[in-house]
Amino acid sequence: QVQLQESGPGLVKPSQTLSLTCNVSGGSISSATYYWNWIRQPAGKELEWIGRIHISGNSNNNPSLRSRLTMSADTSKNQFSLKLTSVTAADTAVYYCAREASWGGFPSFDYWGQGIQVTVSS
Amino acid sequence: DIQMTQSPSSLSASVGDRVTITCRASQSISTSLNWYQVKPGKAPKLLIFAASSLESGAPSRFSGGGSGTDFTLTISSLQPGDFATYYCQQSYRTFSFGGGTKVEI
Repeated sequence: QVQLQESGPGLVKPSQTLSLTCNVSGGSISSATYYWNWIRQPAGKELEWIGRIHISGNSNNNPSLRSRLTMSADTSKNQFSLKLTSVTAADTAVYYCAREASWGGFPSFDYWGQGIQVTVSS
Repeated sequence: DIQMTQSPSSLSASVGDRVTITCRASQSISTSLNWYQVKPGKAPKLLIFAASSLESGAPSRFSGGGSGTDFTLTISSLQPGDFATYYCQQSYRTFSFGGGTKVEI
C-alpha cells in the first residue's frame, strides 16, 4: 500500500521560504510510471494544483507560482520536496502531496498524503 | 486556464438517498475528468477517473458520467461514510479543481 506523508514547519514568517517534504512508502519515486505532485487548499477555498516532478527531472508547475517555486526529488530517501519563496498570508493553506498515475492517457491523483497545515504569520 | 464549476456547493441528504453532483468545464475536456472525496484530516480519495472509470477499491455505489463539458457524480444509495466534500478535477490541460460539493445530513 502506497503511503505519502507531508512534513515541515507549520508556521512560516512572511517573506521567508516555505519548505515541505513528502515521504513516500510502499512504492518508489524512482518509478518512471509516476509523477509526484503538490496541491494546496486555503481555508474555505478550492484545491489548487501547485506543481509536479518526475524522476527524469521533468517538472511542471502552476504559472501563478512559477517564479517562487522549486521542486526536487531525493531517490536515496524516497522523498520529494517543495520550496516556495517570498511567502505571504495568501500562501496559508493545507498542503498535500500526491502521486499522479495515468491510465490510458488519463492522469489522476491516486494516492495522497493527509495534508499539513502551513500558516504564514509573523 | 480551464475553469471547473460544481453544483450544488452543498446539499443535505439522508442515508439511502440517491445523490447527483454536477461539474461543468469552461471548455471541452473530452473525458479527462476525475472525482475525489475529501474528509477533514484525512487523505483525499480518488473515486472516479476518466469521467466514468471506478477507481480500484472505491464502492460500486459511486458512478460517473459525461463528456465534453458536462459531468456527473452519482451516489446510488448514500451511506454514513459518504458524508464528505466531493471535488471534480480536469486533467486535460495541467490540472484544476471545482469548488467542491459538501454532502451533509
